Amino acid sequence: RKEVEQDPGPFNVPEGATVAFNCTYSNSASQSFFWYRQDCRKEPKLLMSVYSSGNEDGRFTAQLNRASQYISLLIRDSKLSDSATYLCVVNEVNQAGTALIFGKGTTLSVSS
Amino acid sequence: NAGVTQTPKFQVLKTGQSMTLQCAQDMNHEYMSWYRQDPGMGLRLIHYSVGAGITDQGEVPNGYNVSRSTTEDFPLRLLSAAPSQTSVYFCASSYGVNSYNEQFFGPGTRLTVL
Repeated sequence: RKEVEQDPGPFNVPEGATVAFNCTYSNSASQSFFWYRQDCRKEPKLLMSVYSSGNEDGRFTAQLNRASQYISLLIRDSKLSDSATYLCVVNEVNQAGTALIFGKGTTLSVSS
Repeated sequence: NAGVTQTPKFQVLKTGQSMTLQCAQDMNHEYMSWYRQDPGMGLRLIHYSVGAGITDQGEVPNGYNVSRSTTEDFPLRLLSAAPSQTSVYFCASSYGVNSYNEQFFGPGTRLTVL
């Protein structure tokens, strides 16, 4: 099975901190990359797609390094509401078509 | 739009029982899929569908059946429940016929098999 590996976590940070999550993927043919957020006992929701040139959405910055097969998510000025599990997701191409491969997730806890 | 809905929210089964988990979406999405999420594991794809009448197996299809008679509905059937199928099941849908696009997940069904 193709793998998506994430930092094990949990990350415990104070409000206002900057925190970075890393993710590596094993299939060099993967074409699309995402970060999803999952709150406790809730469904995953798309946080942001990850583009080759890197992209930013407010306090969140995602980077992709295809050569190293590495994805990162940077959260600046952490808020209490950022506490959640962050899932690294890779869309890979296989014989049957395309499939999303999910990492196990990294848990973030932001405290006041 | 209601988005993706799943029923039931919780279910307890005995080993050997069968049941159907319901999933419906009102966004006219072609792509629908079923995942299971277990502690310490990422979400794993069970079955998926790229349109009405078309289904295919994912990573962990054994013990599950699906059908897609309409664009809106994608039920998941457990043929003979086993304790190993205790999990949280998520249905998801997305625009288009592949998984490149944003996946919209339902709220999940928490299944316990005794």
